[in-house]
Amino acid sequence: QEQLVESGGGLVKPGGSLRLSCAASGFTFSDYYMSWMRQAPGKGLEWISYISSSGNTIYYADSVKGRFTISRDNAKNSLYLPMNSLRAEDTAVYYCARMEDEESGMDVWGQGTTVIVSS
Amino acid sequence: QSELTQPPSVSGAPGQRVTISCTGGSSNIGAGHDVHWYQQLPGTAPKLLMYRNSNRPSGVPDRFSGSKSGTSASLAITGLQAEDETDYYCQSYDSSLNGWVFGGGTKLTVL
Repeated sequence: QEQLVESGGGLVKPGGSLRLSCAASGFTFSDYYMSWMRQAPGKGLEWISYISSSGNTIYYADSVKGRFTISRDNAKNSLYLPMNSLRAEDTAVYYCARMEDEESGMDVWGQGTTVIVSS
Repeated sequence: QSELTQPPSVSGAPGQRVTISCTGGSSNIGAGHDVHWYQQLPGTAPKLLMYRNSNRPSGVPDRFSGSKSGTSASLAITGLQAEDETDYYCQSYDSSLNGWVFGGGTKLTVL
């Protein structure tokens, strides 16, 4: 069964850091492109970062550029998102999802992990 | 403000047909990038409902259909059922942003 499981969320003070992880199972992780999305409470979906299957191509939304870093370890079937300089507006449920290519839909999503930035 | 514009809400009676529009611009839908649709039940992760404009993943009923024309796309749902009442999002790639954009979401109410 193809599955993604996020972890690493929690409560952090403004200016703090967290590292999210996304563990893949049931499929060949290295064949797929991956993205991180987030959803603030009561709001819509926001794409925040993308990494190609090899890790050679990376994109960020302007809202997180310079603060978040996407990476992957294909040997460990894992995707990561270290987040620095966190702000209240980063409070959201964070999802990882896989893509077959840049024009395909995101066909497998994790269950999400919650990040709360508050003093 | 989303790069893709959806109506905040639509509604229909059981058995009826509803459509949800998704309007983009020259750097996303109008540039030829495919549109995908997601269904999100409360408290759960989004689920891919339609990919590459008009293709249904296995398991999605044929009551759902998608289309794309110019700078817009639409999701149509026929034979509305109570279980269809939830949130729907469109998504595409944006060449000028070098990233993916979602519509603001549409809440479907089954009357």
